[in-house]
This record gives sequence, structure tokens and C-alpha cells, in this order.
Amino acid sequence: DTEVTQTPKHLVMGMTNKKSLKCEQHMGHRAMYWYKQKAKKPPELMFVYSYEKLSINESVPSRFSPECPNSSLLNLHLHALQPEDSALYLCASSRDTSAAMPQHFGDGTRLSIL
Amino acid sequence: GESVGLHLPTLSVQEGDNSIINCAYSNSASDYFIWYKQESGKGPQFIIDIRSNMDKRQGQRVTVLLNKTVKHLSLQIAATQPGDSAVYFCAELSSNYKLTFGKGTLLTVNP
Repeated sequence: DTEVTQTPKHLVMGMTNKKSLKCEQHMGHRAMYWYKQKAKKPPELMFVYSYEKLSINESVPSRFSPECPNSSLLNLHLHALQPEDSALYLCASSRDTSAAMPQHFGDGTRLSIL
Repeated sequence: GESVGLHLPTLSVQEGDNSIINCAYSNSASDYFIWYKQESGKGPQFIIDIRSNMDKRQGQRVTVLLNKTVKHLSLQIAATQPGDSAVYFCAELSSNYKLTFGKGTLLTVNP
């Protein structure tokens, strides 16, 4: 079982819908990440939060809006998505970004855009 | 292109054999490397890591080797079991703490 919990596990939405993906960890980690993974491809970094502040945005379209309400929670708000945004969205956390250390992943939300 | 890649996209082994999964990286400034295992329907699971000041690190049934001269990383799995069947990714951490994944190798263990 992973210590990073993502909800929902599956999400189907239309292009005009607004939805949110949620991620939670209780390991005391102060860095949290969003990745996008297409089928048969490696994960690609989208956003990095360090101490609840956005530190890296990998030129992600504004229809994806991250939010970090506190040190344990990370959200990804979705609006006006395109069919090509269908993918597995992975959340990860690590102790912090000050030194090299592993990132621990959740099992993802599988998103389908109709 | 990607700075981290793999020599073989698929690897098929017999149960009980040893497996070797290879990875090449191009960023000589990378100082930390991780191997992840991803099973179908799951997120990447941390297996083992290694820092650039080391050339070998062992875990339970797994060994990671780092050759900085040729920028090559490998994961060795001893006595491979059916439960080891998965996609294996190497990943490197660049100076800005961005984790970049290689393309992945699908390991299939035949009984």
C-alpha cells in the first residue's frame, strides 16, 4: 500500500466540466509533486510545491491549476480540458527539495476526457 | 530529447534467473539516480537509489551499478520472481531537483 493517497482513482469528465484531483500524505513531507503519465510512457513532471509554495511549473497550460492548502494536501483543479489531457495523473512527495532523496508516488487518478 | 534512456524496451527472463536492466543518461551534472518499479494500475514504487559518489549499492535481491565514465546505470535483480514482472524506470535528479524518467523497460518473468 502506498503512503500517498490519491482520489478519485478514476474520473471521466466532459471538456466543459470543472473537477479536482486530490492527493494526501501523512509522512511529514514538505515537497509535493504532480506528474502526468500517458500510456506506455514515463511520468512527466508538471508542478513542484515546496513548503506549500509553488516552486516549479513545467510550462503547464492554465487549464490545470494546482493548489496546496496545507503541508499534507495537494489538489489539481481541472477546467476546460482537452481530449489529449486524458492520462494517469500521479502525485508524489519527498521530505523536501533541499537534498537528493526519493519521491514516493501514489497510484494515480486515471482521467478520461470525453 | 530525453536525457535518460534505456537500451532495451522489453526483457523476458525465466523464473529464478537474474535480470539486468540498463539505462543510459546524458546529464553529467546529475548526482542522484533512482530505480522505480511500476505494476499495471499502480504508481511507480521506489526500489533503490544511488548517489554519484558511489558506484554500487545493494538492497534486498537488487543491486544498482553506476558507471559515471560512460554514464550508465543498471539494475540487477537476483532470482527473479513472477512478482517482479513490471515496467522498470530509471530516473535522474538534476541540479534543480527535477526528476527525469527514462523510457522504461517491461520485464516479463516466465514460470
